[in-house]
Amino acid sequence: KAGVTQTPRYLIKTRGQQVTLSCSPISGHRSVSWYQQTPGQGLQFLFEYFSETQRNKGNFPGRFSGRQFSNSRSEMNVSTLELGDSALYLCASSSQVGSNEQYFGPGTRLTVT
Amino acid sequence: AQTVTQSQPEMSVQEAETVTLSCTYDTSESDYYLFWYKQPPSRQMILVIRQEAYKQQNATENRFSVNFQKAAKSFSLKISDSQLGDAAMYFCAYLSFGGGSEKLVFGKGTKLTVNP
Repeated sequence: KAGVTQTPRYLIKTRGQQVTLSCSPISGHRSVSWYQQTPGQGLQFLFEYFSETQRNKGNFPGRFSGRQFSNSRSEMNVSTLELGDSALYLCASSSQVGSNEQYFGPGTRLTVT
Repeated sequence: AQTVTQSQPEMSVQEAETVTLSCTYDTSESDYYLFWYKQPPSRQMILVIRQEAYKQQNATENRFSVNFQKAAKSFSLKISDSQLGDAAMYFCAYLSFGGGSEKLVFGKGTKLTVNP
């Protein structure tokens, strides 16, 4: 069974631009969560989707948004990029809401210059 | 809101020795899950071990075991017979039970170095 995949793996953008990151969960998994990882703040929860619905959202500005498609693939979008958005963005999938096992993808390293 | 604290930013251990990583958490909930995740330099986060709060028995996975003290809100990870491949960042994480949320709350992590 293929694991969680994220594309692209690396991305360099300039301030003010927008970016879209993609996550494909493990086949059959319907829940996808996104996390931002930085050296200073550690791992912070962004949002979570289940069956195309956002179920939970972390404390991030409205520039961060996401969506989930009918095949459970998810995208997150960051508009008007700031230097502080440079981070590793991790996606995790699980088979059902309340499942206690989340499987993480390799992450997308975003650098904002 | 729940919080997770890992008080040891870095730890080191000799190969084949035992090391214990500390984690404390704060919650008003009675049912929840606790996890230890490992993140090697390649960045892929891997689940090491999990513990359901309603289970009194400490979880064990091969060389990895936990000491779960619910009243003290403590959840430490013991790695026995340490191997070079155990070198990584280790994150303690909390997940509420039920409620329809998959939101994990992570500690800041402990960087483990294994010396040959």
